[in-house]
Amino acid sequence: EPEVTQTPSHQVTQMGQEVILRCVPISNHLYFYWYRQILGQKVEFLVSFYNNEISEKSEIFDDQFSVERPDGSNFTLKIRSTKLEDSAMYFCASRGDRDGGAKNIQYFGAGTRLSVL
Amino acid sequence: ILNVEQSPQSLHVQEGDSTNFTCSFPSSNFYALHWYRWETAKSPEALFVMTLNGDEKKKGRISATLNTKEGYSYLYIKGSQPEDSATYLCAFNFNKFYFGSGTKLNVKP
Repeated sequence: EPEVTQTPSHQVTQMGQEVILRCVPISNHLYFYWYRQILGQKVEFLVSFYNNEISEKSEIFDDQFSVERPDGSNFTLKIRSTKLEDSAMYFCASRGDRDGGAKNIQYFGAGTRLSVL
Repeated sequence: ILNVEQSPQSLHVQEGDSTNFTCSFPSSNFYALHWYRWETAKSPEALFVMTLNGDEKKKGRISATLNTKEGYSYLYIKGSQPEDSATYLCAFNFNKFYFGSGTKLNVKP
């Protein structure tokens, strides 16, 4: 069964460093998402991406964050200068064209745990 | 910010017990409510998408109901098995997903 894969599963970085979290969405999907979950808190929406541009972003997704689909298969989330409070589990999701509207069935990866020291 | 709440936060049951938990969400401007099953270190797995008031969906021993007028959905598990142990997340779909905090279910053999 097709799945969304995320690498690495755990990333440790120093405060102020740049990190890139990688996701390979399901191959025929067109809509892509990033979410995060800070330990003990709810999963929060960060950004949605379609047709090579951001379609919606949350207040969390400030200038320190960017997303890219560099090569037609990967979907990346970059954090330019990490802060301690960026430590969280980051989830990528994708959905196909037919799963839109009220259905909005998103398929999630297993997440990357980011630890900022 | 839309508030989606789930209860209880965690639940411990014996194998064979039936159980249920709740997701509550804003009752105005309803679009869709999603249930996900999330095992530790795995991807959240879509269980149900509920769109209509009175919807009832079933997948094996798991079923869900929806009341959009009062703003809640119930998830039921009949005859719980140890493999049902997971966190059950609901997500309110209103342009984007607003997640509850999840109910962590532990089924003891």
